[in-house]
Amino acid sequence: GNSVTQMEGPVTLSEEAFLTINCTYTATGYPSLFWYVQYPGEGLQLLLKATKADDKGSNKGFEATYRKETTSFHLEKGSVQVSDSAVYFCALSDLQAGTALIFGKGTTLSVSS
Amino acid sequence: GAVVSQHPSRVICKSGTSVKIECRSLDFQATTMFWYRQFPKQSLMLMATSNEGSKATYEQGVEKDKFLINHASLTLSTLTVTSAHPEDSSFYICSASNPAYEQYFGPGTRLTVT
Repeated sequence: GNSVTQMEGPVTLSEEAFLTINCTYTATGYPSLFWYVQYPGEGLQLLLKATKADDKGSNKGFEATYRKETTSFHLEKGSVQVSDSAVYFCALSDLQAGTALIFGKGTTLSVSS
Repeated sequence: GAVVSQHPSRVICKSGTSVKIECRSLDFQATTMFWYRQFPKQSLMLMATSNEGSKATYEQGVEKDKFLINHASLTLSTLTVTSAHPEDSSFYICSASNPAYEQYFGPGTRLTVT
């Protein structure tokens, strides 16, 4: 079945450092891929998405490219801020009716000034 | 963008009582809504899939008689935790699927059972 694997955290960085959070997936067919962010005590917010191979999703300085050949969707940001501290979830969906998202376990990012 | 609300955001109840959580899609019709449970520092666990006008589909290990789900309209789904116990304390999150099958999440409900 479909699954998502993302790097274990926590990830601790200084402000303005480069961020990479790895995410790989296993899926039949051609799923859509997502990154969600969860700030403390809040629900999930969609950060970015890509619906087909080689698509790049981007938002708020974050980017991720849908790599079919490596079945990956790594999240990157060139210069993190303290306000980026949160839990990041990689997810996939085959975007069919009645199909829930499949989440990775989440990666906690902590950015210090 | 699509907005999903949940009410209440926090609730504290006594053991043995029932609690109802509402999930609403505010600006789109959601034929499908999903209920997740999140334990501290863990990922989201899908509890059930709720389709408007039909019975919910529960994931393995989720007690349907304990977690009652009703999807009465295209904009409202409710989760009722019946006879709550302290082990039911958790963060419950719903999501709603729009006609393009994209999912949008509510802000979550923190349930504490004393």
